[in-house]
Amino acid sequence: DTGVSQDPRHKITKRGQNVTFRCDPISEHNRLYWYRQTLGQGPEFLTYFQNEAQLEKSRLLSDRFSAERPKGSFSTLEIQRTEQGDSAMYLCASSLGPPNYEQYFGPGTRLTVT
Amino acid sequence: RKEVEQDPGPFNVPEGATVAFNCTYSNSASQSFFWYRQDCRKEPKLLMSVYSSGNEDGRFTAQLNRASQYISLLIRDSKLSDSATYLCVVNMRYGGSQGNLIFGKGTKLSVKP
Repeated sequence: DTGVSQDPRHKITKRGQNVTFRCDPISEHNRLYWYRQTLGQGPEFLTYFQNEAQLEKSRLLSDRFSAERPKGSFSTLEIQRTEQGDSAMYLCASSLGPPNYEQYFGPGTRLTVT
Repeated sequence: RKEVEQDPGPFNVPEGATVAFNCTYSNSASQSFFWYRQDCRKEPKLLMSVYSSGNEDGRFTAQLNRASQYISLLIRDSKLSDSATYLCVVNMRYGGSQGNLIFGKGTKLSVKP
């Protein structure tokens, strides 16, 4: 399977803990995106990498959130001091070109903060 | 005005029906438009890109009206397997940035036997 993969698929954590999610994009895609989706809403953009450079961050991404893509391949999204409002599906997508190109999504990581 | 607005539905239709989804967007500088399909508790999957001249893929037809900032998706001969949420997606560009994909909330379709 050469699609976008994400790990873990589910994460339950207690409020105040830190969590880290991983995304492996489609191998030839140099653009990688993180989104957050809550129930009844469409995905909301969080941040975007071109190779290892983080080019854009949404205002949704507070200072508790950080993302890296150290070698331009996989990416990690870390949430520090989780809050109940962080409970959501975290989706990763990748594309062959800029953000106006077609993006392909991974299965997501569902985070529950108790 | 919301950046991307869709009728939330749900649309409940019998098999074989034709159903149309509409979407409006706020940024006239937007350049790329897509329809994604999302099944319950799954990731969004690209259904089709939307081109200025309109495009068709089997039973699915997408139209774009730049003057009215309006996008549509028509599904003919609905199948049970078409039941899903359909997301209208627009690449919003501001200033010199390449823009981001902005998703509508989605329109839920339920096709009944």
